[in-house]
Amino acid sequence: KAGVTQTPRYLIKTRGQQVTLSCSPISGHRSVSWYQQTPGQGLQFLFEYFSETQRNKGNFPGRFSGRQFSNSRSEMNVSTLELGDSALYLCASSRHDRGLGGYTFGSGTRLTVV
Amino acid sequence: SQQGEEDPQALSIQEGENATMNCSYKTSINNLQWYRQNSGRGLVHLILIRSNEREKHSGRLRVTLDTSKKSSSLLITASRAADTASYFCATAHQETSGSRLTFGEGTQLTVNP
Repeated sequence: KAGVTQTPRYLIKTRGQQVTLSCSPISGHRSVSWYQQTPGQGLQFLFEYFSETQRNKGNFPGRFSGRQFSNSRSEMNVSTLELGDSALYLCASSRHDRGLGGYTFGSGTRLTVV
Repeated sequence: SQQGEEDPQALSIQEGENATMNCSYKTSINNLQWYRQNSGRGLVHLILIRSNEREKHSGRLRVTLDTSKKSSSLLITASRAADTASYFCATAHQETSGSRLTFGEGTQLTVNP
């Protein structure tokens, strides 16, 4: 079966712009989470969605937002981009509720802010 | 912020040798998971151990969990060059709403042919 698909793979944006990243989870997985990975901060949790509801949010400013659609596909948006937002953004889906099982990660979107 | 710490930060071994990576965490957990990441790509789930388990095996992988010491170890036996990657432990916390993984800083494993 198809894995977690993230688009686009690479993105270059200018400071002040906004960006939308997309994630299609594995069919049947209703839990979708987003993580940011940087060399300095490592892997940090952004948000978790389940059945179109944001259930959990990490410690990120309000410029970071997301949503989940009825087909479980998810998008995250970052507004007013800053240089420090340059990172690998990873989406993960799980068929288990509330972290009881493993997650399948996508290949990520590499965002570069210039 | 990272909950866990992993050591060593980097490990270089020869093919055929065993590799052991350790992870410590701070709060109570639902389960602990290990992931592998090749060169800035996505994470691959390796193994999950529940808080009421002490040891688990999967192929060449062996994971132990000591909840009293809040620590875990990942052993890769008979390593191969293809095992070269970063390895992360992640703790799963069942919160009042939703869940999240909290990752350690990772161990960069290099297996030399």
